[in-house]
Amino acid sequence: EPEVTQTPSHQVTQMGQEVILRCVPISNHLYFYWYRQILGQKVEFLVSFYNNEISEKSEIFDDQFSVERPDGSNFTLKIRSTKLEDSAMYFCASSDQGGRDQPQHFGDGTRLSIL
Amino acid sequence: AQSVTQPDIHITVSEGASLELRCNYSYGATPYLFWYVQSPGQGLQLLLKYFSGDTLVQGIKGFEAEFKRSQSSFNLRKPSVHWSDAAEYFCAVGGGSQGNLIFGKGTKLSVKP
Repeated sequence: EPEVTQTPSHQVTQMGQEVILRCVPISNHLYFYWYRQILGQKVEFLVSFYNNEISEKSEIFDDQFSVERPDGSNFTLKIRSTKLEDSAMYFCASSDQGGRDQPQHFGDGTRLSIL
Repeated sequence: AQSVTQPDIHITVSEGASLELRCNYSYGATPYLFWYVQSPGQGLQLLLKYFSGDTLVQGIKGFEAEFKRSQSSFNLRKPSVHWSDAAEYFCAVGGGSQGNLIFGKGTKLSVKP
C-alpha cells in the first residue's frame, strides 16, 4: 500500500537555526497538509496546500513557517528561526481530494527537538 | 467553536474484553468524523470514517463506531480487544474548506493479559 514518507525521523537543532522537514506524499495525491503534536498535547493543524499554493493555515503558522513543493514529489515545511516551543512531532499528510469528507494519509512524523 | 473532546485520557482493558472509547464533537455543519490510531513511533492510521447514511460504521481491525447526532458523539467500539490494539486513539472532525482535521486529545489504550 502506498504511504507518506517523512525525513528525517528525528531532527535536533539549535534555537534560532533554520530547519527543513521533508515529506513525500502518496504519488497521485493532490492535497497536502502539515500538523504538529507538542508532547502531551493534541495534534494541531498547521497548513494545507493545493495547486502550489497554501489553501488554509492556522494561527500557529506564522511568518516563521513556510511550505514548498520544490519538485513533483517532495513537500517541505521550513521553520526559519526555530524557538524552543517549536519542539514537537510534525506530521505530513496527503489526500487525493480535498474536502472535509476526505480521509488523509499520514506519515510517521519527524520529531523536532530544539536545544 | 469547532472542537473534539475525548474525555478519557487513559483506559486499561483486559485482553478479550470489550472496548468503548468516547468522542464528542462540536461542529456547526454536517460533521465528517474519523478515528485514527497511533502506535508508538508511528504515524496516524485511519481506522474508520463517517460521512452520512448508516450511523454504525465498520472499520479495519474489527473496530466500529456509532454516530449519534442527538448526543454529538462518535464512540469507537471493539467487541474483543487484542494485545496488539494497545495504542493511542484519536477522534477527529473534518473542518475548513480543504478538510483540515480537528483532533481530540487522544485516548491511550493499555491492554493487560
